[in-house]
Amino acid sequence: KAGVTQTPRYLIKTRGQQVTLSCSPISGHRSVSWYQQTPGQGLQFLFEYFSETQRNKGNFPGRFSGRQFSNSRSEMNVSTLELGDSALYLCASSLGQNTGNTIYFGEGSWLTVV
Amino acid sequence: AQTVTQSQPEMSVQEAETVTLSCTYDTSESDYYLFWYKQPPSRQMILVIRQEAYKQQNATENRFSVNFQKAAKSFSLKISDSQLGDAAMYFCAYRSAEGTYKYIFGTGTRLKVLA
Repeated sequence: KAGVTQTPRYLIKTRGQQVTLSCSPISGHRSVSWYQQTPGQGLQFLFEYFSETQRNKGNFPGRFSGRQFSNSRSEMNVSTLELGDSALYLCASSLGQNTGNTIYFGEGSWLTVV
Repeated sequence: AQTVTQSQPEMSVQEAETVTLSCTYDTSESDYYLFWYKQPPSRQMILVIRQEAYKQQNATENRFSVNFQKAAKSFSLKISDSQLGDAAMYFCAYRSAEGTYKYIFGTGTRLKVLA
């Protein structure tokens, strides 16, 4: 069974631009969540989607948004990029909306903002 | 708000020895889940072990076990017979089973395994 797939793996953007990251969950998984990992702030929860609905959102500005499609694939978008948005963005999927379900992470998308 | 604290930024252990990583958390909720995740240099997070708060029995997965002290809000990870492949960042995580359902991660402990 294929794991969680994130694309692109690496990208470099200029301050002020926007970026879209994609996440394909494990087949059959309907919940997708996103995380930002930086050396300074550690691992922080961005948002979670289940059946195309945002179920939860972390404490990030409105420049960070996401969505989930009917096939459970998810995208996150960051607009008006800032240098501080440089981070590893991790996506994870789980079977359903039971909060005790194990979440499985992808390898992440490395974003560098210059 | 819930918090997760890992007070050991870095730990070292000799191969084949045992090491314990500490994690404390703060919550007013009674129903929640606790997890330990491993992040090797590849950066892909891997679940090591999970604990359901309403279960008093400590979770065990092969060489990995936890010491869950609910009253003390402590959730430590014990790695027995340490192997070189255990070297990684270890994150303790809390997930509420009510309310916000957010995952909250600790700052991580870097484990070095010495040959």
